Amino acid sequence: DAGVTQSPTHLIKTRGQQVTLRCSPKSGHDTVSWYQQALGQGPQFIFQYYEEEERQRGNFPDRFSGHQFPNYSSELNVNALLLGDSALYLCASRWGNTQYFGPGTRLTVL
Amino acid sequence: GENVEQHPSTLSVQEGDSAVIKCTYSDSASNYFPWYKQELGKRPQLIIDIRSNVGEKKDQRIAVTLNKTAKHFSLHITETQPEDSAVYFCAARSGANNLFFGTGTRLTVIP
Repeated sequence: DAGVTQSPTHLIKTRGQQVTLRCSPKSGHDTVSWYQQALGQGPQFIFQYYEEEERQRGNFPDRFSGHQFPNYSSELNVNALLLGDSALYLCASRWGNTQYFGPGTRLTVL
Repeated sequence: GENVEQHPSTLSVQEGDSAVIKCTYSDSASNYFPWYKQELGKRPQLIIDIRSNVGEKKDQRIAVTLNKTAKHFSLHITETQPEDSAVYFCAARSGANNLFFGTGTRLTVIP
């Protein structure tokens, strides 16, 4: 049974560009959440997808958007990248109370 | 929204000693409190969790206590080992809402 997977593992972009990150949840999990973890900080909630809809959103601008597909996989899109968007982006799938995190995508914006 | 504070930010203990990390939360509706361990360059891994209908939970050398009245919960690691060295995060969630994390505690176990 595969756990939560994410791609790519690392990504380097320049300011103003757009990026798409991908996540496949743990088998059988239908809820996917995305978190941003800046260096030395705890993960910050971006948004959650369930049944292909955004159900909850954290305090992130509209530049951050997402999508969930019928197979429960998900994408995180960030437009007009800023230097401050450099972080580890974590995807988590949920079963009951427990959230299982993927390995993350390390995004560097130059 | 929920606000989770975590202390201390760094903690060094001798191997074999105990380590305690404390967190407070603000939302009285929060009812689920997990603890995650994150090693350098790795994903956060759930190590133990507790629900608000329980005051204490133990799993081998790890235990978590919850005081709902005071809105604080703590992680206790006994007989620490070098492999316990990592960053530990507490979190809180109310209902179907997502997790709100503390700022982390860097634990170093000195052999």
